[in-house]
Amino acid sequence: GAVVSQHPSWVICKSGTSVKIECRSLDFQATTMFWYRQFPKQSLMLMATSNEGSKATYEQGVEKDKFLINHASLTLSTLTVTSAHPEDSSFYICSASRPTLKGITEAFFGQGTRLTVV
Amino acid sequence: GENVEQHPSTLSVQEGDSAVIKCTYSDSASNYFPWYKQELGKGPQLIIDIRSNVGEKKDQRIAVTLNKTAKHFSLHITETQPEDSAVYFCAASMNSGYSTLTFGKGTMLLVSP
Repeated sequence: GAVVSQHPSWVICKSGTSVKIECRSLDFQATTMFWYRQFPKQSLMLMATSNEGSKATYEQGVEKDKFLINHASLTLSTLTVTSAHPEDSSFYICSASRPTLKGITEAFFGQGTRLTVV
Repeated sequence: GENVEQHPSTLSVQEGDSAVIKCTYSDSASNYFPWYKQELGKGPQLIIDIRSNVGEKKDQRIAVTLNKTAKHFSLHITETQPEDSAVYFCAASMNSGYSTLTFGKGTMLLVSP
């Protein structure tokens, strides 16, 4: 299957600082990437949809000024958690969509980033 | 919008037994139903998917069935092994272009040796 690489896999930062998470599609071009947040023992919660070259579409309740998303190229999307606070500690996961020869779009996920704000 | 319900939330089986996880969806326009396996501390991995023009799909020990009329789909794992232990998520989407996936809440499968 396709490879989506997410970096870093874990990060610890001080309260008030900003953290950038990268999501790369390694062997395909992804015009659309998705960012999720996952709390322990819970499902994935969609935060935003990122389209290359345009502004991200945020889900209701997600602060766009808090979670900055940039999708500057067809293989890279970044999520920046600005002025992080302990309540932002979570597992963040990206996914990238790729059309297949079968005429459907498959979603491939990165390995996730564990963010801990102290 | 779409709503996906997934049951059970936890499932414990003995090695070699079969495991079945069921999901229902609300939006009849949904036509793509993938299943993901997530191991602890990792991102979800696609294990099998099914489109609405197919009723069943198999891949070795894994099979998925879809009942469009009842709007439910199920994951079947036969001859379970300890390495099958993980959280499994079902999802649904309209798969039109790059439509979003709506996930179920997940099922933690524990396979005891």
